[in-house]
Amino acid sequence: EAAVTQSPRNKVAVTGGKVTLSCNQTNNHNNMYWYRQDTGHGLRLIHYSYGAGSTEKGDIPDGYKASRPSQENFSLILELATPSQTSVYFCASGDAGDQDTQYFGPGTRLLVL
Amino acid sequence: GEKVEQHESTLSVREGDSAVINCTYTDTASSYFPWYKQEAGKSLHFVIDIRSNVDRKQSQRLIVLLDKKAKRFSLHITATQPEDSAIYFCAATNYGNEKITFGAGTKLTIKP
Repeated sequence: EAAVTQSPRNKVAVTGGKVTLSCNQTNNHNNMYWYRQDTGHGLRLIHYSYGAGSTEKGDIPDGYKASRPSQENFSLILELATPSQTSVYFCASGDAGDQDTQYFGPGTRLLVL
Repeated sequence: GEKVEQHESTLSVREGDSAVINCTYTDTASSYFPWYKQEAGKSLHFVIDIRSNVDRKQSQRLIVLLDKKAKRFSLHITATQPEDSAIYFCAATNYGNEKITFGAGTKLTIKP
């Protein structure tokens, strides 16, 4: 029973199209995160959220929006996808405080043609 | 903001030997340093961490060292095994900060 799930797991999109990546967590964590992973860059934070209704910009937010409609769900939205957004996207959940561990989803591989 | 540099992009060691991965950080306020492991084709999972109130922490074959003066920390894997082959990410953050800054990752290969 995976605690952080992502959908879709693989996605092919066309340039200029809209893409929505979804994340669901059953950890009851307040914080959720979206990262992208690219060779040579490690993980870079796109957006994060402190709880339902909140979204914050990470280190590379340009070209992305986020939505946190509930404690469990956090979406990443690419309104106008570009080939430079081809990447592997990871969602994570975590709680600040004494234990800052983040728990990652399985990842979504996005190819923008 | 914080920057974390991971010095080895790849590392290859013989099975049974020790592996050392080194990271440096820039923000003197950083106080929490986790390590994550990513096996081939899989997601990341937490392996060990260290907080700034100690300079050494061990969990079985994993040892983390922290040098606050040099702003450097390292992961030592002793008696390496084939299942240690993975990409390892170091990271840094302040206590209570919601954001963690990751290094670029080190691909560790254990040779038979």
